[in-house]
Amino acid sequence: GQQLNQSPQSMFIQEGEDVSMNCTSSSIFNTWLWYKQDPGEGPVLLIALYKAGELTSNGRLTAQFGITRKDSFLNISASIPSDVGIYFCAGQALSDYKLSFGAGTTVTVRA
Amino acid sequence: SAVISQKPSRDICQRGTSLTIQCQVDSQVTMMFWYRQQPGQSLTLIATANQGSEATYESGFVIDKFPISRPNLTFSTLTVSNMSPEDSSIYLCSGTSGNEQYFGPGTRLTVT
Repeated sequence: GQQLNQSPQSMFIQEGEDVSMNCTSSSIFNTWLWYKQDPGEGPVLLIALYKAGELTSNGRLTAQFGITRKDSFLNISASIPSDVGIYFCAGQALSDYKLSFGAGTTVTVRA
Repeated sequence: SAVISQKPSRDICQRGTSLTIQCQVDSQVTMMFWYRQQPGQSLTLIATANQGSEATYESGFVIDKFPISRPNLTFSTLTVSNMSPEDSSIYLCSGTSGNEQYFGPGTRLTVT
């Protein structure tokens, strides 16, 4: 599958700050998924988005499915040290459930 | 949701040998996939594991190198054959529940 354009590649933030990252694609997706991966672990699903324009929250996480169906963003509010990790966006075509992944955003939180 | 386990969690293998990775899901899933994640990189889809039939491989991956089995709705294996150091990577399986896809913890393979 294609690789999505995810930015920023990395970010250093102060504890308590908000974090934003986004993902764009040249193709339309039916589902956008956001994952977090800690060292030595598999990706853990954070949020799933199913409809264009949808805004979904999961605790301090908020994600939106872009109106064009070609983009999505993830916000983390009031970051804490355990937010450290690599965040991946993934787009899914409904027809075959295959995921195309972004390159990842590495988040480092300074206490 | 689905909870996915993989065995082994890691291995160090000699060049030219093969390793079979097992993936077990705690519930029936529609689709199962195998991914590769090279150090510091994103995930790349290897193949779709089809129940009871041959897997569907992505461009750049072939059955002779990565044979896959899926005998039922909760179990799959991936074999990395005739390994070389370039095969050193993390191998992850996943399963779909509805439109959500869940991942196992990965198998970290080092080929010497």
